[in-house]
Amino acid sequence: EDQVTQSPEALRLQEGESSSLNCSYTVSGLRGLFWYRQDPGKGPEFLFTLYSAGEEKEKERLKATLTKKESFLHITAPKPEDSATYLCAVQRGGGTYKYIFGTGTRLKVLA
Amino acid sequence: DGGITQSPKYLFRKEGQNVTLSCEQNLNHDAMYWYRQDPGQGLRLIYYSQIVNDFQKGDIAEGYSVSREKKESFPLTVTSAQKNPTAFYLCASRLGPSSYEQYFGPGTRLTVT
Repeated sequence: EDQVTQSPEALRLQEGESSSLNCSYTVSGLRGLFWYRQDPGKGPEFLFTLYSAGEEKEKERLKATLTKKESFLHITAPKPEDSATYLCAVQRGGGTYKYIFGTGTRLKVLA
Repeated sequence: DGGITQSPKYLFRKEGQNVTLSCEQNLNHDAMYWYRQDPGQGLRLIYYSQIVNDFQKGDIAEGYSVSREKKESFPLTVTSAQKNPTAFYLCASRLGPSSYEQYFGPGTRLTVT
């Protein structure tokens, strides 16, 4: 069964304290893995797409990496404005355009 | 500005009433999606449409209906048959077959009492 698991569920960091969020996935024929940021009461904001193992993408303090079984979202020297829920999703291959989402990691960065 | 709009932001209904949530996009995207988000759960797919006048059921379609008469619009009706309709509803769109990223609207929070 296709599945996406994110860990930890919640993470508290001091400003400047780097860390990583994990997204483990089981899917038949990965077409793409996606990271989103979601602020409370708002829709998810697209961050990255990763297509194949070994791929990396960066944006400001965020860096996403992908292996055959998991993806990491590395946050370097976070600031309080990075506080949000980070969602991971995968799209399986085989002609379907459906996506499977994880439950997210709630990140709180303290000043 | 290009984007996805959902209205209203908050919606309150009495049990037994049908309600329609609006989703409009001016991104010229082919595909549109409806998700439901509940606390502690991942986004769950209700319906999706890859082209005008065609749509498919997602994983939790029971109690919901949709239409796709125009490329820009994909309204979702929550019927009285939906047992637990109170949730945060998100609409998303995707450019087309060769583009895999979904972009989301701001969401509608529906409360049914």
